[in-house]
Amino acid sequence: QVQLQESGPGLVKPSQTLSLTCTVSGGSINSGGYYWSWIRQHPGKGLEWIGDIYYRGRTHYNPSLRSRISISVDTSKNQFSLKLSSVTAADTAVYYCARGFFYMIIDEGAYYFDYWGRGTLVTVSS
Amino acid sequence: SSELTQDPTVSVALGQTVRITCRGDSLRTYYASWIQQKPGQAPVLVIYGKNNRPSGIPDRFSGSSSGNTASLTITGAQAEDEGDYYCNSRNSSGNHVLFGGGTKLTVL
Repeated sequence: QVQLQESGPGLVKPSQTLSLTCTVSGGSINSGGYYWSWIRQHPGKGLEWIGDIYYRGRTHYNPSLRSRISISVDTSKNQFSLKLSSVTAADTAVYYCARGFFYMIIDEGAYYFDYWGRGTLVTVSS
Repeated sequence: SSELTQDPTVSVALGQTVRITCRGDSLRTYYASWIQQKPGQAPVLVIYGKNNRPSGIPDRFSGSSSGNTASLTITGAQAEDEGDYYCNSRNSSGNHVLFGGGTKLTVL
């Protein structure tokens, strides 16, 4: 059973960089075909995709956050990480890591998140 | 458009059938997946692909699709089905992920 666990500071000061790590257990982050993803949820709001890193290192970022995001992977530790720079109070949210899978078979194509971390609340405040 | 649109709220009487819909251009290319989130909990995948349920998801959950609209149907809704439901897809180009705004399901 794959498990994901977010870790990192729960409080970040405005203008600083938010850094989170997701540790994957029960499976290798090098396994083919997966998109290792970050998603956030502002208090009382819906889910917002931040970005992902494909197992071969290719990244995709939410256009609205692209200038402030960096996602990387450390295969030796079976972890992937998020850095979000120049944070403001608007970045206060629960941050989730998740495993995404994308397939296309004949006429059926789909993308889905099959495993999620529990989420970690990050508050931006001085 | 690169958005997925859901009705904000839906209610259903206990034991009845309810359909939650999701609309978006990307759904002409890819099937939606459906995610359930209960208060204070992490999201959980309930339907993916044409109509696939992960292990442990009750068979009262089913999915369907037509054109640019995907639907999640709960046949015989239970009290424990209350929560927020999000549809999800990759965009048509495959380089971004989309979430619907979420539908809050109330079981009366």
